[in-house]
Amino acid sequence: EVQLVESGGGLVQPGGSLRLSCAASGFTFSSYWMSWVRQAPGKGLEWVANIKQDGSEKYYVDSVKGRFTISRDNAKNSLYLQMNSLRAEDTAVYYCARDGGSYGPEYFQHWGQGTLVTVSS
Amino acid sequence: QSALTQPASVSGSPGQSITISCTGTSSDVGSYNLVSWYQQHPGKAPKLMIYEGSKRPSGVSNRFSGSKSGNTASLTISGLQAEDEADYYCCSYAGSSTFVFGTGTKVTVL
Repeated sequence: EVQLVESGGGLVQPGGSLRLSCAASGFTFSSYWMSWVRQAPGKGLEWVANIKQDGSEKYYVDSVKGRFTISRDNAKNSLYLQMNSLRAEDTAVYYCARDGGSYGPEYFQHWGQGTLVTVSS
Repeated sequence: QSALTQPASVSGSPGQSITISCTGTSSDVGSYNLVSWYQQHPGKAPKLMIYEGSKRPSGVSNRFSGSKSGNTASLTISGLQAEDEADYYCCSYAGSSTFVFGTGTKVTVL
């Protein structure tokens, strides 16, 4: 059974940093693109970033470029999101998601339960 | 990277069929056969319902179907059931390994 378990969320002040983690199990982690998707309170879903199987390619939504960094450790079956210079508008539940495509990124087949990040003074 | 446009709400009675539209542009929905649909119940993680425009993952009811015409994708739920009441989001590949989600539609079963 595919499992994705996020951790690392919490309350942080504006301008601060936070590192999210996603522990994966039940599949060959190194074979899939992985993504972070967020959802602000009462709002819709927003794709944030993704990373290729070997970590050689990374892509971001414009609003987080230069502030967030996605990474992965295939030996530890883990996905990460380093978030710097956090703003109030980054407040959201952050979901880890596994792609369903066999080659390039195509859709989000499996999701974690999410971790809440609150940016507030 | 503007969000795809969905109606804010759609409702129907049990047993009826409803259709949710998802309008994008020639840079996303219109250019790729990579539209997916997600169901989200309150407080829960999203669940994949349709991928590659019209394919259903294993375990998803055949009451759910997807299609696309030009820059607009659609999700149809036939034989509406109480358990279908949820938020639904479309998502499209937008080129260069990026994605854009729809604004979301709240489905109410009357």
